[in-house]
Amino acid sequence: EAGVTQFPSHSVIEKGQTVTLRCDPISGHDNLYWYRRVMGKEIKFLLHFVKESKQDESGMPNNRFLAERTGGTYSTLKVQPAELEDSGVYFCASSQDYGGLAGSYEQYFGPGTRLTVT
Amino acid sequence: SQQGEEDPQALSIQEGENATMNCSYKTSINNLQWYRQNSGRGLVHLILIRSNEREKHSGRLRVTLDTSKKSSSLLITASRAADTASYFCATDAYNAGNMLTFGGGTRLMVKP
Repeated sequence: EAGVTQFPSHSVIEKGQTVTLRCDPISGHDNLYWYRRVMGKEIKFLLHFVKESKQDESGMPNNRFLAERTGGTYSTLKVQPAELEDSGVYFCASSQDYGGLAGSYEQYFGPGTRLTVT
Repeated sequence: SQQGEEDPQALSIQEGENATMNCSYKTSINNLQWYRQNSGRGLVHLILIRSNEREKHSGRLRVTLDTSKKSSSLLITASRAADTASYFCATDAYNAGNMLTFGGGTRLMVKP
């Protein structure tokens, strides 16, 4: 069974340009998450999809970031326009179910996309 | 300190020795998960322990959870050079959905 995949593995863009990251979750996983790790900081939550709906987007830093999951399968994260502080590694994860108060299921992470904004 | 803070930040041991990493957190949690990240690669899920569990084993891994102290430990027994990686704990807070909060990680080096 394929794991979570992300594309591209590395992207180098100039400040002000647009970049779109893609994530394909594990087949059958309704839950999809985006996280990022900027230089020297902890891995931080960005948002959570349940199928095509945004369940929690409290971690999105500002309106330059737009995440979509049309059809409830793969997801894209667009940064427009990119700023220097957006550089970091963007991780996607998926889980089978949303446990809520009863507990959650393991989140499986992709290899990440390393974004460098110059 | 932040939710899911690991201790120590770096650990260097000889192959065959045991490695113990600790994680502390602040808020009540549903679950705590441990992940491994090899250099330049993604996060590999190691083990999940629920808030009502105290200990869990998986192969050479042993995880304990003390909710009264808001802390967890990850023990790797009989370490191997291939265990060299960064290890992260991540918590999901009670009644706060599935959002994971990560600590800064422990960098483990196992010398052959």
